[in-house]
Amino acid sequence: NAGVTQTPKFQVLKTGQSMTLQCAQDMNHEYMSWYRQDPGMGLRLIHYSVGAGITDQGEVPNGYNVSRSTTEDFPLRLLSAAPSQTSVYFCASKQGDLDTQYFGPGTRLTVL
Amino acid sequence: GESVGLHLPTLSVQEGDNSIINCAYSNSASDYFIWYKQESGKGPQFIIDIRSNMDKRQGQRVTVLLNKTVKHLSLQIAATQPGDSAVYFCAGTKTGANSKLTFGKGITLSVRP
Repeated sequence: NAGVTQTPKFQVLKTGQSMTLQCAQDMNHEYMSWYRQDPGMGLRLIHYSVGAGITDQGEVPNGYNVSRSTTEDFPLRLLSAAPSQTSVYFCASKQGDLDTQYFGPGTRLTVL
Repeated sequence: GESVGLHLPTLSVQEGDNSIINCAYSNSASDYFIWYKQESGKGPQFIIDIRSNMDKRQGQRVTVLLNKTVKHLSLQIAATQPGDSAVYFCAGTKTGANSKLTFGKGITLSVRP
């Protein structure tokens, strides 16, 4: 199994541009989440999904959209990038509520 | 809401010594806690977890202690090795809260050879 994969690893955007961060898992996990990690802030939950077709907001959802059309994929969309969205983004998945959560390698995003 | 935080930002230990990393949480409803290790340039990696019906759980070279009275948990690493150098996060949630883990800010463990 590849586990949780994320693309791209690095991305630079200009303010106002849009893009999609890709996340895929091959473990047939129901739960998937997106976090952002900023210096001194730890990881903060952006959006999460408890199964295909179901998504919900986390702690910091503004400026981001998600969809979950399949069990495997959980893309994160930035509609109009802002410098405040410069961060490292991690996707994670797990089978159930209290099961072990596996993280992807991260995407480092810089918005100029 | 809940906040989960670590007492100190950095910890330096001698190789072979035991390490203790502490964490405090604010939400008394939290009943599930996890410790993660994050190496530079990588995603967090699960180390060990503990449910609130336990006060101690042991893994390979690691032990997590939970004190619900003072809302405190700690991670103990025995015989610390250079490969243990990383940032360590504690996280907590409440059963049924789905993916809503609340993470602490992280503490850097540095192992001196």
